[in-house]
Amino acid sequence: DSGVTQTPKHLITATGQRVTLRCSPRSGDLSVYWYQQSLDQGLQFLIQYYNGEERAKGNILERFSAQQFPDLHSELNLSSLELGDSALYFCASSHRLVGTGTYNEQFFGPGTRLTVL
Amino acid sequence: DQQVKQNSPSLSVQEGRISILNCDYTNSMFDYFLWYKKYPAEGPTFLISISSIKDKNEDGRFTVFLNKSAKHLSLHIVPSQPGDSAVYFCAASGGSNYKLTFGKGTLLTVNP
Repeated sequence: DSGVTQTPKHLITATGQRVTLRCSPRSGDLSVYWYQQSLDQGLQFLIQYYNGEERAKGNILERFSAQQFPDLHSELNLSSLELGDSALYFCASSHRLVGTGTYNEQFFGPGTRLTVL
Repeated sequence: DQQVKQNSPSLSVQEGRISILNCDYTNSMFDYFLWYKKYPAEGPTFLISISSIKDKNEDGRFTVFLNKSAKHLSLHIVPSQPGDSAVYFCAASGGSNYKLTFGKGTLLTVNP
């Protein structure tokens, strides 16, 4: 158990709909990362938040948005869903030490499997 | 543009033998490399890492080798055990945001 929790575990919805995925980082971790794993693409970085602020963006579609709340949990919102959005969505957290140059290991949650029909 | 490549989708080895998983990267800004292991229905779990200032890092049965000039790293598992059967992801990081760039993974099967 990594200490990172994600809900729901599975989500089945229809095209055009909107869903919200939730992530609670490990206690004390300030950074949250979202990744998408689809069949052909492997794990793709979507977005990073650190202590409530967006810090980095990857290949995240405009239909997707995220935020990190004061209690450090994060939500990934996916709207106008398409069949191609079906994937596993992982959240990871780390206790990033700003400015030290020290790498902090990322701990992954179990993922949310999204199926768009 | 795939910056981290794992060219072998799968690898099968006998229990007790060595497993060697390979990874190539193209981005010279990467300065930290990691291997993650993933079982079905679970998230990736960190296995071992190496900084670009080193060429080898060892942790028990797991050793990672880095060849910067060839932009290549490998994970050696000795001896391999059936419980090592999983998908192994190579990942790289560079810059201050610590985002990881992953390869597509290699499915390792260790046969008893």
